[in-house]
Amino acid sequence: SYVLTQPPSVSVAPGKTATITCGGNNIGDKSVHWFQQRPGQAPVLVIFYDRDRPSGIPERFSGSNSGITATLTISRVEAGDEADYYCQVWDTGSDHPVFGGGTKLTVL
Amino acid sequence: QKQLVQSGPEVKKSGTSVKVSCKASGFTLASSAVQWVRQARGQRLESIGWIVVGTGNTHYAQKFQERVTITRDMSTSTAYMELSSLRSDDTAIYYCAETVGATNRPLDNWGQGTLITVSS
Repeated sequence: SYVLTQPPSVSVAPGKTATITCGGNNIGDKSVHWFQQRPGQAPVLVIFYDRDRPSGIPERFSGSNSGITATLTISRVEAGDEADYYCQVWDTGSDHPVFGGGTKLTVL
Repeated sequence: QKQLVQSGPEVKKSGTSVKVSCKASGFTLASSAVQWVRQARGQRLESIGWIVVGTGNTHYAQKFQERVTITRDMSTSTAYMELSSLRSDDTAIYYCAETVGATNRPLDNWGQGTLITVSS
């Protein structure tokens, strides 16, 4: 089945920009969604179809996708952004969603 | 307010079954597809299967095909996921997540999760 690879952790100082990558074979040909999961909570969709934001998600969250890497960018990082972030695509082979391993964002 | 409300935590013995419910509150599931996803401690999210509520069509991940049954009750806007022959490595938080329309659309509405603990 399709495999998504994320770095286990990313650290960033408050006010700086965090970049979280998601690698996959020709992922640029797929639609990528990103979820934020705070401890003890359910995942929340923060980016869908590579770069769209659901209502209520700050403009500081943005996404891109090309080639073999999709990227979630969080600008002007705040303490409240500290969470695990998961990328997800639809695997047409298995007809199921596939998730990356998750990246723990630490705000220093 | 549109939300999914899942049943409470359960502790089960190995070899038994568990059935988790996922009830829509503030809307109906009639036009939805419901995904079931689980997350073991420290592990990635893992798809179990899905159901198109209007038609009742289901599709299960190969790993769970022999042990899982996903159903729905349209009269109560509730989806169910039953997992049988439980093992210790089935200990996880089980989530339902909903999207309107096709099954491959973004999962923009999640239940709060149900912790299933399997003991020997």
